[in-house]
Amino acid sequence: KAGVTQTPRYLIKTRGQQVTLSCSPISGHRSVSWYQQTPGQGLQFLFEYFSETQRNKGNFPGRFSGRQFSNSRSEMNVSTLELGDSALYLCASSLDRGEDTQYFGPGTRLTVL
Amino acid sequence: AQSVTQPDIHITVSEGASLELRCNYSYGATPYLFWYVQSPGQGLQLLLKYFSGDTLVQGIKGFEAEFKRSQSSFNLRKPSVHWSDAAEYFCAVGPSGGGADGLTFGKGTHLIIQP
Repeated sequence: KAGVTQTPRYLIKTRGQQVTLSCSPISGHRSVSWYQQTPGQGLQFLFEYFSETQRNKGNFPGRFSGRQFSNSRSEMNVSTLELGDSALYLCASSLDRGEDTQYFGPGTRLTVL
Repeated sequence: AQSVTQPDIHITVSEGASLELRCNYSYGATPYLFWYVQSPGQGLQLLLKYFSGDTLVQGIKGFEAEFKRSQSSFNLRKPSVHWSDAAEYFCAVGPSGGGADGLTFGKGTHLIIQP
């Protein structure tokens, strides 16, 4: 079974631009979560989607948004990019929530110049 | 709020020696606990997880971890490390069925293997 895939793997943007990252979960998984990883803050939860609905959201500004499609694929969008948004963005999928294990993709490395 | 502490930022171990990585958590109920490993430029790979039952859990690559409720700890162990074990290790707690906000991760422990 194929794992979680994320595209693109690397991205370079300039301040003020917006960016969209994509995540395809493991087949059959309906929950997709997004995390931001930075050297200073570590791994932080962004949001979680299940059946096209955002169920949980972490403590990030409204510039960070996401959505999920009927095939469970998910996208996250960051508008008005800031230098501090440079990070590795990780997507994880699970069957559902609760005790279900989250499986992570390789991440998208975003650099904001 | 839930939290995870990994007290050791870096650990250096000789190849073939035993390993223990520490993890302490703070959580209001019975936690769901995980250990993940991350190699440079890669995503996170699950090593093992604890939900309930036997407090000693076995994982992949010869790793095990023991849940100790009285100490709020979930330490990761391996009897003999290999050079390929060099990586960043993350302990995480949640989410529980009650709707915690995603996984809460520790800051990670960077494992260095000496030849």
